[in-house]
Amino acid sequence: AQSVAQPEDQVNVAEGNPLTVKCTYSVSGNPYLFWYVQYPNRGLQFLLKYITGDNLVKGSYGFEAEFNKSQTSFHLKKPSALVSDSALYFCAVRPSLSNSGYALNFGKGTSLLVTP
Amino acid sequence: GAVVSQHPSWVICKSGTSVKIECRSLDFQATTMFWYRQFPKQSLMLMATSNEGSKATYEQGVEKDKFLINHASLTLSTLTVTSAHPEDSSFYICSAREGREISTDTQYFGPGTRLTVL
Repeated sequence: AQSVAQPEDQVNVAEGNPLTVKCTYSVSGNPYLFWYVQYPNRGLQFLLKYITGDNLVKGSYGFEAEFNKSQTSFHLKKPSALVSDSALYFCAVRPSLSNSGYALNFGKGTSLLVTP
Repeated sequence: GAVVSQHPSWVICKSGTSVKIECRSLDFQATTMFWYRQFPKQSLMLMATSNEGSKATYEQGVEKDKFLINHASLTLSTLTVTSAHPEDSSFYICSAREGREISTDTQYFGPGTRLTVL
C-alpha cells in the first residue's frame, strides 16, 4: 500500500521567513513524489516532483523539496515566504512500478498562511 | 505547463437530475484521465481512472452506474452524475496525464467543478 502523511493541518509563517511543509511517505519500491498547491475553489497546480537523481528538487514559484530516503520524507521548502504563497499544499506519492497504475495518492493537505 | 479545462465551473441542479462535467486537455493528448472528488477542507479522493477508448476503472466504493465516465477522445473525458442527490454535492476535479513513460509523465489538474444538488 502507498500513502503519504502530512502531519500539520496548518503552518503559519511571517512573510520573508523560510517555510517548510512536511510530508512523509510509505510505498513499496522506489517512490515518485509530488507537491501540488491549491488556491480556493481552484484545481491543483503542479509545483515539483522527485523521480530519481538529485535529492534536492527545484520547482515552480521558488519552491524546492528535499527527498530523504532514510527518513522517508519529502518536505517542501521556500527560503522566503510571500503572502501570495498562502494556499493549501498537497503532497502525493505514486509507486515507480508501472503495474501499480498511474493515479496519485494524496495527503490530507496542509494549509499555509503567510502573514504580512 | 500543460492546461486542463473543466466545464462547467459550477452547477446547481435539482435532486434527481443528471449533470455532465467535461474535462479537456487543451494542448496535449492524454491517454489517461482521472476523476477526483474533494470534500471541504479534505484531500482528493480518486473516483476512477479513465483510459481513452476503454471502460473506466472505478475505485472501491464508487458506484459506476451513478458516476458514468466516458473518455471518447485523447483530449476529452466526461463525468455524468446520474440521478443526483444532495449527498453528491462536492467539488469534482479531473486530471490528465501527459506523457507515456511512468518516469517522465506529469498529471495536470483542471480547475474543478462545484456541484450543488438541491
